[in-house]
Amino acid sequence: NAGVTQTPKFRVLKTGQSMTLLCAQDMNHEYMYWYRQDPGMGLRLIHYSVGEGTTAKGEVPDGYNVSRLKKQNFLLGLESAAPSQTSVYFCASSYSPDSSENTIYFGEGSWLTVV
Amino acid sequence: GENVEQHPSTLSVQEGDSAVIKCTYSDSASNYFPWYKQELGKRPQLIIDIRSNVGEKKDQRIAVTLNKTAKHFSLHITETQPEDSAVYFCAASTGAGNKLTFGGGTRVLVKP
Repeated sequence: NAGVTQTPKFRVLKTGQSMTLLCAQDMNHEYMYWYRQDPGMGLRLIHYSVGEGTTAKGEVPDGYNVSRLKKQNFLLGLESAAPSQTSVYFCASSYSPDSSENTIYFGEGSWLTVV
Repeated sequence: GENVEQHPSTLSVQEGDSAVIKCTYSDSASNYFPWYKQELGKRPQLIIDIRSNVGEKKDQRIAVTLNKTAKHFSLHITETQPEDSAVYFCAASTGAGNKLTFGGGTRVLVKP
């Protein structure tokens, strides 16, 4: 049981490049989230999903897109990276209909630098 | 949307003393209030949570209190130890999709 796994863990991008962060969870969770954390700040919600095939905007969605084609995976895309997107990105998941547990579990984070 | 404010932003305590962190929230529909501990370079880890039908919850040296009327909740750490040094985040959720809104964090330093 790996929990929530994010890839890659570190990435350096040039301004204008695109990339995709992959999040995978093996807990049969319905809900998945992408947060970003900037230095000295709390986490801010980018996008989230309440089930396979669904996505919704969070607090700071601009410049990002997401997809949830499979229940266990949640992808975060940057179409044209900007230096303002330099951040640590955390994926999270919650709610298993099997146990009704609502605890939110976080992945280990992905450090992204845009130069 | 929900807004969560957290104070203080930094807290330095002597080992063995107590630490208290306070958060306020704006959305009266919020009903779930977790606290996370984050060590440098690591993921946030849930340490305790409370739901709106409970006023207080305790787990060994940590406790959380909730005042729904005033819309604030607090984390209490007793008998602090050096390993309690970390950044602590409060959060609030209305339960819809379990979306969390986080406070800005409190950096706690426990001095030996």
